[in-house]
Amino acid sequence: DGGITQSPKYLFRKEGQNVTLSCEQNLNHDAMYWYRQDPGQGLRLIYYSQIVNDFQKGDIAEGYSVSREKKESFPLTVTSAQKNPTAFYLCASSTLTGDGTQYFGPGTRLTVL
Amino acid sequence: DQQVKQNSPSLSVQEGRISILNCDYTNSMFDYFLWYKKYPAEGPTFLISISSIKDKNEDGRFTVFLNKSAKHLSLHIVPSQPGDSAVYFCAASAQFQGAQKLVFGQGTRLTINP
Repeated sequence: DGGITQSPKYLFRKEGQNVTLSCEQNLNHDAMYWYRQDPGQGLRLIYYSQIVNDFQKGDIAEGYSVSREKKESFPLTVTSAQKNPTAFYLCASSTLTGDGTQYFGPGTRLTVL
Repeated sequence: DQQVKQNSPSLSVQEGRISILNCDYTNSMFDYFLWYKKYPAEGPTFLISISSIKDKNEDGRFTVFLNKSAKHLSLHIVPSQPGDSAVYFCAASAQFQGAQKLVFGQGTRLTINP
């Protein structure tokens, strides 16, 4: 069964703590992405990576960090510098060719108390 | 600067009728356009896409129309079914730094009434 998994589904953290969200894919896709969704808004790109050990900032990278040590994995760390971390976080992957279709994981709802 | 806009936050349609969701864009460099469907607390699911060199693409009950001169695309769902109730996002794709990057609209919540 090919797909993208994100864990956990729900995550609660205290203000000021860093938290890492997991994203794994077995689609053999080169590119991986992290998005954030807030109520009434579209998906906003946080970071993306086209190849192992390389990644680029998206539109709202401040307060976030990522790593890409393996092709299958692209974890996102929400740091204490992120001013409004409570949101729904989505991970996606795609090939580097074609129409750019991205395939999404089920998402992680992060709530900072 | 919002490059992809869905101006209707919500749409309500009777079961069996046609649902038409609209999307406008500003950047002429977009070369593909995609529609995604999203249920609450789940990831978006890819529905259908269209190349900028075409004006229509059809897949079962879903048809996407592209009007390049007006920078406008629409998704038609015929006939609408209760399971179609979801948030629909349009996205535009362009080459950026070696990858196809997607820009999403804000989404339209579609409700199908029995």
